[in-house]
Amino acid sequence: AQKITQTQPGMFVQEKEAVTLDCTYDTSDPSYGLFWYKQPSSGEMIFLIYQGSYDQQNATEGRYSLNFQKARKSANLVISASQLGDSAMYFCAMGNTGFQKLVFGTGTRLLVSP
Amino acid sequence: GAGVSQSPRYKVTKRGQDVALRCDPISGHVSLYWYRQALGQGPEFLTYFNYEAQQDKSGLPNDRFSAERPEGSISTLTIQRTEQRDSAMYRCASSRGTSGIVINEQFFGPGTRLTVL
Repeated sequence: AQKITQTQPGMFVQEKEAVTLDCTYDTSDPSYGLFWYKQPSSGEMIFLIYQGSYDQQNATEGRYSLNFQKARKSANLVISASQLGDSAMYFCAMGNTGFQKLVFGTGTRLLVSP
Repeated sequence: GAGVSQSPRYKVTKRGQDVALRCDPISGHVSLYWYRQALGQGPEFLTYFNYEAQQDKSGLPNDRFSAERPEGSISTLTIQRTEQRDSAMYRCASSRGTSGIVINEQFFGPGTRLTVL
């Protein structure tokens, strides 16, 4: 069975600083993908970044990067130069090629202060 | 439109009534997914389709829930004889599916907020 764990219910960061949101996962499948989604107060689910289990390099998308440590089964999201608009709920999720459904963690609420 | 659309955005119904929730995926997307999200939680998988074929319905809570995608595009999630515990946000997502070892990202719609009184 697949499982995603996000141990930080809430995180605070000051504007312009970097923040790391933790995510650990558990799966016995060799081929899987890890995703991060942002959910602002408006309720939409916004795709941020993807990391495949066979990818050699950590994924990056603008200010978002994924710190993928396969041996530790962790896929932490790093947001550089935080902005006020980054305040939202962040979900880590996993899917695999056998089962396309995504399994989500419980989320981390990020608050960026001026 | 360019994104996934869902209708209605809000639905209030009385216990025992049937409801039908609609999802219009991104054009050309092969896979379509239904999730349910309780307040303060991550989405939970309900079912998914590749084209018109329902591939996995293991997440449907009971036989009051059903889904279809008859022409491989628009999908409808139907809940019969609604109960108060069915109240939640119902989200649809679509993707290009899986090709080889690449799992394509799922793009979510705005959701339908269902309230059962």
